Amino acid sequence: AQSVTQPDIHITVSEGASLELRCNYSYGATPYLFWYVQSPGQGLQLLLKYFSGDTLVQGIKGFEAEFKRSQSSFNLRKPSVHWSDAAEYFCAVGAPGGADGLTFGKGTHLIIQP
Amino acid sequence: DTAVSQTPKYLVTQMGNDKSIKCEQNLGHDTMYWYKQDSKKFLKIMFSYNNKELIINETVPNRFSPKSPDKAHLNLHINSLELGDSAVYFCASSARGGGAYGYTFGSGTRLTVV
Repeated sequence: AQSVTQPDIHITVSEGASLELRCNYSYGATPYLFWYVQSPGQGLQLLLKYFSGDTLVQGIKGFEAEFKRSQSSFNLRKPSVHWSDAAEYFCAVGAPGGADGLTFGKGTHLIIQP
Repeated sequence: DTAVSQTPKYLVTQMGNDKSIKCEQNLGHDTMYWYKQDSKKFLKIMFSYNNKELIINETVPNRFSPKSPDKAHLNLHINSLELGDSAVYFCASSARGGGAYGYTFGSGTRLTVV
């Protein structure tokens, strides 16, 4: 069975500082990996996804993520955070066929300090 | 034009009632899903459905039933509501082979059972 671990429940970062959110997955084959962001009271917005090719993927809002097969990781990064980045971030894994939907991690709550 | 729309956005109801949440997608996707987000923000898939197959998460009580009048709609019907059903419910859709093309989520329905 596939699973996703986000080891950090909360992360606090100063505005303008760099950010890295960790994600580890368990999946029997090459996974399809996603990062979603959820602002308070809002739905889920796709930041980026990986399913093949270049292991460094660029997303929206200046985010990027790197797939490392050897570490079963797909960490999300941003060089300089803005106060508007405060939100809940979810890493997810999906099977290629899609019928089983996504398995999500428990999320990381990002707090931005002024 | 909202890609995946859910109604209502908020739903407050008494224990024991039966309620439905509607979902519509205008993306031409052939697979739709329902997810439940609990009070700790954990997201878990409940159902995935295309015009040929319904996949049910085995942990979902049979009081929950998806109903699809056509390919663009997947409604969630809940019988005999319980306090523990209080959560945010998200509808999502994907094209065939969802992983490669991503999953689009609705903005959620916050269900409160009193």
